Amino acid sequence: GENVEQHPSTLSVQEGDSAVIKCTYSDSASNYFPWYKQELGKGPQLIIDIRSNVGEKKDQRIAVTLNKTAKHFSLHITETQPEDSAVYFCAASELTGGGNKLTFGTGTQLKVEL
Amino acid sequence: SQTIHQWPATLVQPVGSPLSLECTVEGTSNPNLYWYRQAAGRGLQLLFYSVGIGQISSEVPQNLSASRPQDRQFILSSKKLLLSDSGFYLCAWSVPRRSGNTIYFGEGSWLTVV
Repeated sequence: GENVEQHPSTLSVQEGDSAVIKCTYSDSASNYFPWYKQELGKGPQLIIDIRSNVGEKKDQRIAVTLNKTAKHFSLHITETQPEDSAVYFCAASELTGGGNKLTFGTGTQLKVEL
Repeated sequence: SQTIHQWPATLVQPVGSPLSLECTVEGTSNPNLYWYRQAAGRGLQLLFYSVGIGQISSEVPQNLSASRPQDRQFILSSKKLLLSDSGFYLCAWSVPRRSGNTIYFGEGSWLTVV
């Protein structure tokens, strides 16, 4: 089955700096890679996702890059703000017509300091 | 728009007692439904998913079961809880043909088994 590794487990940055979180996956059949943000005591919220037919996707201050050859993908947050502080999870799956069986990384606790 | 409701939000149950967590989705039909568990400080583990009424796939052997009595209702149950069942349980949904099978989570249920 799929195995997703995520690094770092904790990340502290100064407000305004950039933050980068990296993930690797093992199953070459995986073609869908979402990122979720989870605030304390709440369910994860999708912030961005990428499919294997593109190498990069941006949404304002957030970008995700995908290297299918190396089987890794990364989340980039620019101009970080205190409200970006949360736990971020990467995930991977092979999209089919049935259930989307995401395999998650173990999460990165991001702290944005003033 | 689609919404997902999950209850109860928190519960404390003694070892050996039964469990029932309920989840309903509004604003869509024929969704794929999922139950995930998140242990403290760890990633999300897929427990069950369902692609239709009465169709349940189990991802890990455990003390829990799931049922889907109606199209937009998903129930997580246990006959006798174990201490190891404690955790944060998340219901989620996706629609394969719309939104590309992206998974959206509910707000979660905190279960403490004592």
